[in-house]
Amino acid sequence: AQRVTQPEKLLSVFKGAPVELKCNYSYSGSPELFWYVQYSRQRLQLLLRHISRESIKGFTADLNKGETSFHLKKPFAQEEDSAMYYCALDDSGGGADGLTFGKGTHLIIQP
Amino acid sequence: KAGVTQTPRYLIKTRGQQVTLSCSPISGHRSVSWYQQTPGQGLQFLFEYFSETQRNKGNFPGRFSGRQFSNSRSEMNVSTLELGDSALYLCASSSRGTANTEAFFGQGTRLTVV
Repeated sequence: AQRVTQPEKLLSVFKGAPVELKCNYSYSGSPELFWYVQYSRQRLQLLLRHISRESIKGFTADLNKGETSFHLKKPFAQEEDSAMYYCALDDSGGGADGLTFGKGTHLIIQP
Repeated sequence: KAGVTQTPRYLIKTRGQQVTLSCSPISGHRSVSWYQQTPGQGLQFLFEYFSETQRNKGNFPGRFSGRQFSNSRSEMNVSTLELGDSALYLCASSSRGTANTEAFFGQGTRLTVV
């Protein structure tokens, strides 16, 4: 069964410092990986996906199949980045298993 | 375009009762998925519907069921409620079946079982 692990429940960094939110997955096929974000009092929304290889709000994430990781990085954290971040995996074969989410990391950016 | 709409936003039910939650997907989206979110277990997949058919079901007891209508609106039903069913229930819609599988989430229904 597929599994997504986010080892840090809480991550606190100072404004301007680099941020890395860790995500590891277990899946036998070729997964599609996502990062979702939930800001305070807002709905869960897509931040980025590995297949598009884009940078959103300064965040990037690289899929490392050898290490089965999809860590989220930003070189200089901003206060507005404070939120819950969820790593999610989808069966890239278009299967109907739904998204498998990690338990989330609460990112706090201190001024 | 309008986002995913879930109703009601809040519900309080007593043990043993049943409850029905509703989800209206983004126009044109035919896939609707349901998730349960709790502090202890995080986000867990309940089931997905596509074109009125349940395509898969997560690891939840049979008390949890759902359906999808021809207009893609979906309902989720929980019978014989237990205290542990208290959670935020999220609905997501997507245009699954195309290359774009981004899921758009509603704001959720907060269910409290007392």
